[in-house]
Amino acid sequence: GNSVTQMEGPVTLSEEAFLTINCTYTATGYPSLFWYVQYPGEGLQLLLKATKADDKGSNKGFEATYRKETTSFHLEKGSVQVSDSAVYFCALSNNQGGKLIFGQGTELSVKP
Amino acid sequence: NAGVMQNPRHLVRRRGQEARLRCSPMKGHSHVYWYRQLPEEGLKFMVYLQKENIIDESGMPKERFSAEFPKEGPSILRIQQVVRGDSAAYFCASSEQRDSHEQYFGPGTRLTVT
Repeated sequence: GNSVTQMEGPVTLSEEAFLTINCTYTATGYPSLFWYVQYPGEGLQLLLKATKADDKGSNKGFEATYRKETTSFHLEKGSVQVSDSAVYFCALSNNQGGKLIFGQGTELSVKP
Repeated sequence: NAGVMQNPRHLVRRRGQEARLRCSPMKGHSHVYWYRQLPEEGLKFMVYLQKENIIDESGMPKERFSAEFPKEGPSILRIQQVVRGDSAAYFCASSEQRDSHEQYFGPGTRLTVT
């Protein structure tokens, strides 16, 4: 079946450090891939997405590339800020019915 | 321009009671999705509804859980005879189009069963 696996958190970084949060997936067919972010006390917000192999999604300095050969969609940011502290969820959709399949989430804490 | 609204934000129920969770989608959205997040786990799909129709309920437990999205009013997720294992955060999302992965999430309802 379809599934998503993320690196475990929490991840603690200093401001301006480089961020990588690993995400790998298992899916039939050609899924779309997403990163969602959840700030404390709020709902999930779509951060970026990629709908086909080799696509790069980007937003607010975050990037992720859809790698079909390694079934991965790792999230990266060159220089994190304290305001990036949140829980990050990797997700996929098999493009049938809109159902999203999520990883378990990775908590990021950025210290000044 | 209100986003997806859920209420209550926190709900405490004793074992055996009923829990009703409400979700008002974004204006203009007629598709609603419910997800459940158990402690230390990711969000798991439960059900997908369009107004007055259940499109996909493949993630709903077979007993005690039901969902509706009437022509007027919010979507309701109902859990009868709650048990401790139902304690979780329940998130609602809405979309404008059918089968869309462009979903907008509410802040969630945290259910605690004592």
